[in-house]
Amino acid sequence: EVVMTQSPASLSVSPGETVTLSCRAGQSVSSNLAWYQQKPGQAPRLLVFSASTRATGVPARFSGSGSGTEFTLTISSLQSEDFAVYYCQQYSTWPPCSFGQGTKLEIK
Amino acid sequence: QVHLVQSGAEVKKPGASVRVSCKASGYTFGNYGISWVRQAPGQGLEWMGWISATNGNTDYAQKFKGRVIMTTDTSTTTAYMELSYLEIDDTALYYCARDLHSSGWTPFDSWGQGTLITVSS
Repeated sequence: EVVMTQSPASLSVSPGETVTLSCRAGQSVSSNLAWYQQKPGQAPRLLVFSASTRATGVPARFSGSGSGTEFTLTISSLQSEDFAVYYCQQYSTWPPCSFGQGTKLEIK
Repeated sequence: QVHLVQSGAEVKKPGASVRVSCKASGYTFGNYGISWVRQAPGQGLEWMGWISATNGNTDYAQKFKGRVIMTTDTSTTTAYMELSYLEIDDTALYYCARDLHSSGWTPFDSWGQGTLITVSS
């Protein structure tokens, strides 16, 4: 199983700022990496797939980058609705696909 | 649009089995696989397995092999996940999720609302 490690575990940021979340894979997953957003009481929402392609309807302030083992999700000009938990997922080596443990983005 | 509607919450005793349903609509059911992902209270996401709605082929996470069965009913466009020999640690929110693409390994672009399974003696 490919272990996915996200950092930091939590982050406190002010609205309007830009934040970068990190995800590291235990072995190369090429560009087979997705990012999800999960708000309390809701199912996860796909934000980015293929490391850098935004899913339908996702605002341009969300951008993904990276390949191999190192990936980032950058959120520019944070809005109040962006405060949530973010998960990365590899789908290169399957089964199983695997998720990171999540990064909780909190309002400062 | 794509819609996945899951069955309601259940309370089970240790050792029992549970079956969760996931009714799909808004797309050609047989063209996309369905995965099941669970989330224990306050914890992260854990992939349990996947089923092809085209031919019923399955892939299960090693952790659940022998204890989980995933099926589909194309006539009702419904996917099912049955988990047996329930333990306290199986208490979680169980999600069904649809593949983004119709072939290959893909992330999940649509999710059900989740079904809370509580295992308690």
